[in-house]
Amino acid sequence: EAGVTQFPSHSVIEKGQTVTLRCDPISGHDNLYWYRRVMGKEIKFLLHFVKESKQDESGMPNNRFLAERTGGTYSTLKVQPAELEDSGVYFCASSQDLTDTEAFFGQGTRLTVV
Amino acid sequence: GQNIDQPTEMTATEGAIVQINCTYQTSGFNGLFWYQQHAGEAPTFLSYNVLDGLEEKGRFSSFLSRSKGYSYLLLKELQMKDSASYLCAVRDPPSNTGKLIFGQGTTLQVKP
Repeated sequence: EAGVTQFPSHSVIEKGQTVTLRCDPISGHDNLYWYRRVMGKEIKFLLHFVKESKQDESGMPNNRFLAERTGGTYSTLKVQPAELEDSGVYFCASSQDLTDTEAFFGQGTRLTVV
Repeated sequence: GQNIDQPTEMTATEGAIVQINCTYQTSGFNGLFWYQQHAGEAPTFLSYNVLDGLEEKGRFSSFLSRSKGYSYLLLKELQMKDSASYLCAVRDPPSNTGKLIFGQGTTLQVKP
C-alpha cells in the first residue's frame, strides 16, 4: 500500500512568486491534514479536510495560502505571493477516522523562499 | 493556551536506555502520540497512549499520566539508527478536528 506522497520534495522560489504543493493521501483516507515546520519551531497545524470539505482552517497563516482538495482525493496548497517567512517544511498527513490511533505523514516539501 | 514541552537535545550511548520526557498543557485531550523522524524523512508513528499507564512495543515503551499532563518515551538497547528527532504530540478531541499539537521535538544522538 502506498503511503502519503508529497510533491515536490524541495522547492526554491523567489519572493513574490507562486508555488503549489501537492499531497496524495493514502487511498480511502477521508481525513487530510496540512502542517508546517518553520526553522527552529515546532510542527504546526494549518488545516484539515474531510473528503473535499475544509473542516478547520484555523491554522492558515493568512490569505496568501489557499488549500484545495478537489474530489476528495489529492490536495494542493498554493502560496501566492510567497514571502521569506513562508520558508519551512510542509507536511501532509492522512487518516481514515478522527479516532484512528495513527496518522500517516508524508516526507514533506522543503520550501525555501529567497 | 496549548503548550507541549520536551528537551531539545539528548545524548546517550549505544546499548543504553534513554527516557525522553514530555509535559503538556492543552485545552483538550484525545491521546498522546510519539513519532520518530530522521532528517529529511516523514515522521513515523511509534506509540499512542490515551489511558494512563505504560504501553510497550519491543524496545520502545511509552507512559502517560493524564492527571500530571506527563508522558515519557523509553528506548532500550539503544542502536545507532535510533539517532533521530522524537516528537511528542497531543491530539485534539474529534469535536475539534483531531489535529495534532506538537512539541518542538527532542534530537537524540546515540554515540558508540
